[in-house]
Amino acid sequence: GNSVTQMEGPVTLSEEAFLTINCTYTATGYPSLFWYVQYPGEGLQLLLKATKADDKGSNKGFEATYRKETTSFHLEKGSVQVSDSAVYFCASNAGGTSYGKLTFGQGTILTVHP
Amino acid sequence: GAGVSQSPSNKVTEKGKDVELRCDPISGHTALYWYRQRLGQGLEFLIYFQGNSAPDKSGLPSDRFSAERTGESVSTLTIQRTQQEDSAVYLCASSPGQGWHTEAFFGQGTRLTVV
Repeated sequence: GNSVTQMEGPVTLSEEAFLTINCTYTATGYPSLFWYVQYPGEGLQLLLKATKADDKGSNKGFEATYRKETTSFHLEKGSVQVSDSAVYFCASNAGGTSYGKLTFGQGTILTVHP
Repeated sequence: GAGVSQSPSNKVTEKGKDVELRCDPISGHTALYWYRQRLGQGLEFLIYFQGNSAPDKSGLPSDRFSAERTGESVSTLTIQRTQQEDSAVYLCASSPGQGWHTEAFFGQGTRLTVV
């Protein structure tokens, strides 16, 4: 079946540090991959996505590259800010019998200190 | 409407009572999802509607949970004989549903507290 595994948190960083949040997936076929973010007190919103192998999604300084060979979609940011403190969810959306259904990872809590 | 709307935003109910949660998706979105998020935990898939296809109910945790959707519009999630472990935020999302490249848009959720 389809599944998404994220690195366990919480992750605590100082401002301007480098961020990596690992995400790997298992899926039949070739899924689309997403990162969603949930800021404190807010709903989930799309951060970035990639729909085919070697695609790079980017937004707000965050990047993630769809790596088919390692079935990964790791989230990176070169210099985090306090305002990036949030919960980050990796997700896949595969075809086949699970057509259109989003499968989420467990989420990673990020806290950035000044 | 501008986005996915869920009501009520908060619901406190007594153990054993039935509750009904409502989701208004973005107009024209054929796909609709319900998820559950317990405090400090990830997203637990409950049910998925796609157009006129039979819904994917594989995530419903027990027969106390059910959901309906009329065409491509409103959906209701019903929890019968609520238990304390049902306390969570229930999230609804909708998607244009045209292939699996499209993102899902989430509502603000309904926070359910069973006392």
